[in-house]
Amino acid sequence: AQSVTQPDIHITVSEGASLELRCNYSYGATPYLFWYVQSPGQGLQLLLKYFSGDTLVQGIKGFEAEFKRSQSSFNLRKPSVHWSDAAEYFCAVVGSGGYNKLIFGAGTRLAVHP
Amino acid sequence: DADVTQTPRNRITKTGKRIMLECSQTKGHDRMYWYRQDPGLGLRLIYYSFDVKDINKGEISDGYSVSRQAQAKFSLSLESAIPNQTALYFCATSGLKQGVGVQETQYFGPGTRLLVL
Repeated sequence: AQSVTQPDIHITVSEGASLELRCNYSYGATPYLFWYVQSPGQGLQLLLKYFSGDTLVQGIKGFEAEFKRSQSSFNLRKPSVHWSDAAEYFCAVVGSGGYNKLIFGAGTRLAVHP
Repeated sequence: DADVTQTPRNRITKTGKRIMLECSQTKGHDRMYWYRQDPGLGLRLIYYSFDVKDINKGEISDGYSVSRQAQAKFSLSLESAIPNQTALYFCATSGLKQGVGVQETQYFGPGTRLLVL
């Protein structure tokens, strides 16, 4: 069965520091991978997605993620965090073909210290 | 204007009441979804619909029903609300049958926060 693990429930970083949020997935075939962000009181906004090709994908707000098939990982990174990045981040996976359901991780809540 | 809208945004109801949450989209997508979000559990799929005549149960459909009134409208009903249905509910859409990954990329509404007393 498909699953997504986000090992870190909470992460705190200082403003200006680098960030890496971990995501591991379990899926037997070619996965499509997503990162969403949920700001306080808001809905989910798509940050970036990976379907195929270059394993390093760029997203909005200066985020990037790298797909590593050998490690079944899709970690999210940002070189310099801003206070406005404080939010909850969700990794999700779906099988290609459009007939499978999107499976979400439990989320990582990011706090940013000034 | 938002592409995916949900009404109401907040709702308080009592145990045993019937309530309906509504979702509308202007993205022209054919697929629509209902999720609930609970702390520490991420989002879980309640129901999904690939077109007006196609409705499917998700992983946690018990206690819920849905109606796809039109391509752009997808409603979620709680026939008899109970306190453990207190959650944040999201509608999402995905769409057109063209391009790699288009069908799989879901876009979310702002959510409805439901409290069942």
